[in-house]
Amino acid sequence: AQTVTQSQPEMSVQEAETVTLSCTYDTSESDYYLFWYKQPPSRQMILVIRQEAYKQQNATENRFSVNFQKAAKSFSLKISDSQLGDAAMYFCAYRGIKAAGNKLTFGGGTRVLVKP
Amino acid sequence: AAGVIQSPRHLIKEKRETATLKCYPIPRHDTVYWYQQGPGQDPQFLISFYEKMQSDKGSIPDRFSAQQFSDYHSELNMSSLELGDSALYFCASSLDKWWGQQGATYGYTFGSGTRLTVV
Repeated sequence: AQTVTQSQPEMSVQEAETVTLSCTYDTSESDYYLFWYKQPPSRQMILVIRQEAYKQQNATENRFSVNFQKAAKSFSLKISDSQLGDAAMYFCAYRGIKAAGNKLTFGGGTRVLVKP
Repeated sequence: AAGVIQSPRHLIKEKRETATLKCYPIPRHDTVYWYQQGPGQDPQFLISFYEKMQSDKGSIPDRFSAQQFSDYHSELNMSSLELGDSALYFCASSLDKWWGQQGATYGYTFGSGTRLTVV
């Protein structure tokens, strides 16, 4: 079974600075998808960024970028120019592609605090 | 753009009662997922449906059942409710293309969740 580990329960960053969240996963599959989701206090789950394992190029979405290291099974998220609205719980998630309807497996989450 | 609609937003039930949660996926999405998130926890997968057939199953209690209807909406039925069932229940939908042994996904879209409180 796949597992996702986020080793940082909480990270603090100054507004306008950069913070990097770590995520490692374990899988025997060669193709899969990785995601970062943001959950603000409203508890809505919001997709931040998505990476296909077969793509070597790291995904970017505005101020959010990932460092995907397939061999190391590492998928970190970098938030640049942090804003107060970035304060939230961030979940790393894994999904295989062997069958339709396969679940997302989440890590334990990292709480990001943004200091003004 | 249309999102995933969940109803009700909040639900309070007593122990041993039953509850039904509803989920309306994004139009043309063919896959629906149910997750349970307890306080301070990550979402735990319950069950999923692809094209109205159960496609994957997680740690869903036997007291819970779910189905996906012909219009692709899904319902999660929970019976004999326990205090420990109090949680936020998310529904998500995705458009999964299925071919051969592999498929592709365009990412999940989550609903706003139903907060169930069992007293």
